[in-house]
Amino acid sequence: ETGVTQSPTHLIKTRGQQVTLRCSSQSGHNTVSWYQQALGQGPQFIFQYYREEENGRGNFPPRFSGLQFPNYSSELNVNALELDDSALYLCASSLRQGKAFFGQGTRLTVV
Amino acid sequence: AQRVTQPEKLLSVFKGAPVELKCNYSYSGSPELFWYVQYSRQRLQLLLRHISRESIKGFTADLNKGETSFHLKKPFAQEEDSAMYYCALSENSGSARQLTFGSGTQLTVLP
Repeated sequence: ETGVTQSPTHLIKTRGQQVTLRCSSQSGHNTVSWYQQALGQGPQFIFQYYREEENGRGNFPPRFSGLQFPNYSSELNVNALELDDSALYLCASSLRQGKAFFGQGTRLTVV
Repeated sequence: AQRVTQPEKLLSVFKGAPVELKCNYSYSGSPELFWYVQYSRQRLQLLLRHISRESIKGFTADLNKGETSFHLKKPFAQEEDSAMYYCALSENSGSARQLTFGSGTQLTVLP
């Protein structure tokens, strides 16, 4: 059984650029959720994908978008990066609404 | 809106002493609550969930709906319990299950 893996682990981008973060689900999991964790804060829900469809979204602007692929892996895309987007981005996979397993995260720094 | 509050950012206890990590929540429905833990250099992982009424690594947590609390307790702390602890509340967002996290408590168990 493979765990949730995220890539890259660290990333530096310039304000205004676009970024794509990737997540491979744990084997057999069909649901992926993305979270943003700012320094000193708990993770904040961005959105969730189930069977390639977005089925729930937190309080994030449309420049945060995602995809889920037939193999249930997922991407998080952020356009027009802002300095406040600097954070740890976590991916969690689960079987529908079951126990969530988290990846190690991608540390994004926007300069 | 749902909210999870962890009033202590830092908590230090001596090995063998009791420990209690506080969590209060606000939620209009019937809450489902969790404790997540993150050990140094490891990923976020589920410690326990209130519906299971289980004890994991000696930790227990009781949901008190009257006081809207879900405090995490252990009678005798161990050095290996040193970690970041997050209380989380699960709710439905559309058809998605999202977690709302508190800001976390860093527990240090001193020798």
